[in-house]
Amino acid sequence: QVQLMESGGGVVQPGRSLRLSCAASGFTFSSYGIHWVRQAPGKGLEWVALISDDGSDKYYEESVKGRFTISRDNSKNMLYLQMNSLRVEDTAVYFCAKGGGSSGRFTADAWGQGTLVTVSS
Amino acid sequence: QSVLTQPPSASGTPGQRVSISCSGSRSNIGSNTVNWYQQFPGTAPKLLVYSDNQRPSGVPDRLSGSKSGTSASLAISGLQSEDEADYYCAAWDDSLNAFVFGTGTKVTAL
Repeated sequence: QVQLMESGGGVVQPGRSLRLSCAASGFTFSSYGIHWVRQAPGKGLEWVALISDDGSDKYYEESVKGRFTISRDNSKNMLYLQMNSLRVEDTAVYFCAKGGGSSGRFTADAWGQGTLVTVSS
Repeated sequence: QSVLTQPPSASGTPGQRVSISCSGSRSNIGSNTVNWYQQFPGTAPKLLVYSDNQRPSGVPDRLSGSKSGTSASLAISGLQSEDEADYYCAAWDDSLNAFVFGTGTKVTAL
């Protein structure tokens, strides 16, 4: 059974940093791309970033480019999102989601429960 | 703003058929397969349809997806009260190099 569990959310001031983690189990983690997707309070889903199975390809939503970094540790079945220079508009629940296949690009077929990030002074 | 456009709401009486549209462009729906997700308040999204019209195991066959050109649709046959949720389409966009979501549709059983 595929399981994804996010952690690391919390309240942070604008301009500060936060690192989210996603622990995966129940599938061969190193064979799949993984997404980060976020949802601001009362709003729709917004894709944030994707990393390929071996970490060689990374893609980012335009507003987070240069501020967020996606990474993974296949030896630990862990995904990360380093978020720097946080803005109020980054406030959201952040989900990790398993992609389809090695690139992960074409679907997100299993999701974690999410972790809330609140950026506020 | 979202690249894929959905109607904000859709409704029907129990037992009716409800359809949700998702309008995109050549770089997303026109080039790649479409996914549909269901989300209840306070919970994670659940994949309902992938590869335009394929259902993961456990998803009832009264939910069906279709695609034509740069648009896709999700149909819910025999609407039930438990279908009341938000629904999102999504696809990879080759121009943006991004996985784009639709604006979301809230389905209500009247």
